[in-house]
Amino acid sequence: SQELEQSPQSLIVQEGKNLTINCTSSKTLYGLYWYKQKYGEGLIFLMMLQKGGEEKSHEKITAKLDEKKQQSSLHITASQPSHAGIYLCGAGGANNLFFGTGTRLTVIP
Amino acid sequence: GAVVSQHPSRVICKSGTSVKIECRSLDFQATTMFWYRQFPKQSLMLMATSNEGSKATYEQGVEKDKFLINHASLTLSTLTVTSAHPEDSSFYICSATPSVGDEQYFGPGTRLTVT
Repeated sequence: SQELEQSPQSLIVQEGKNLTINCTSSKTLYGLYWYKQKYGEGLIFLMMLQKGGEEKSHEKITAKLDEKKQQSSLHITASQPSHAGIYLCGAGGANNLFFGTGTRLTVIP
Repeated sequence: GAVVSQHPSRVICKSGTSVKIECRSLDFQATTMFWYRQFPKQSLMLMATSNEGSKATYEQGVEKDKFLINHASLTLSTLTVTSAHPEDSSFYICSATPSVGDEQYFGPGTRLTVT
């Protein structure tokens, strides 16, 4: 089975600082999703990356997919308290889904 | 670690029939369970949030009467797809959390095919 390891497991940053979360796969990545879990709510889809080298941005969040390294990174610029939550990467096909171990982000005002 | 199971893992049903999918938290009590749906090559979509003993909260665009959710106990939530149609064919995944704000633990998913 595919394993996705995220680092760091938890992150505490001062508001306004940049940060990066990594997701490393044990197998070749053919596509990867990034989700955010808000406090007490279900997962929120952030973005999906399908091609090696692909980079997508949404507001202050940028994600990249490096197929060769079997890795994806999520970068948040000028973090805000609203960015706080648990970030999950996910990968898989039509019949299965694998999720990363999760990264808990705390943003201190 | 926390384990969430789903049953069945795969189900094929005829159009017009109903099918029930179970989600169980095996080693913890889940105050909240979430139901997601994923279409091929698309992202996971939250369908509804269910809290034990109360009515589920459905996301916008999800038909309550079609996707019946029952969270009867702290370890079991069920999703019933009523009068299924081929467009309901999808991968349904549940998750459970011990308490609000905790990490979610995901089930392995159920592949529904409506013929």
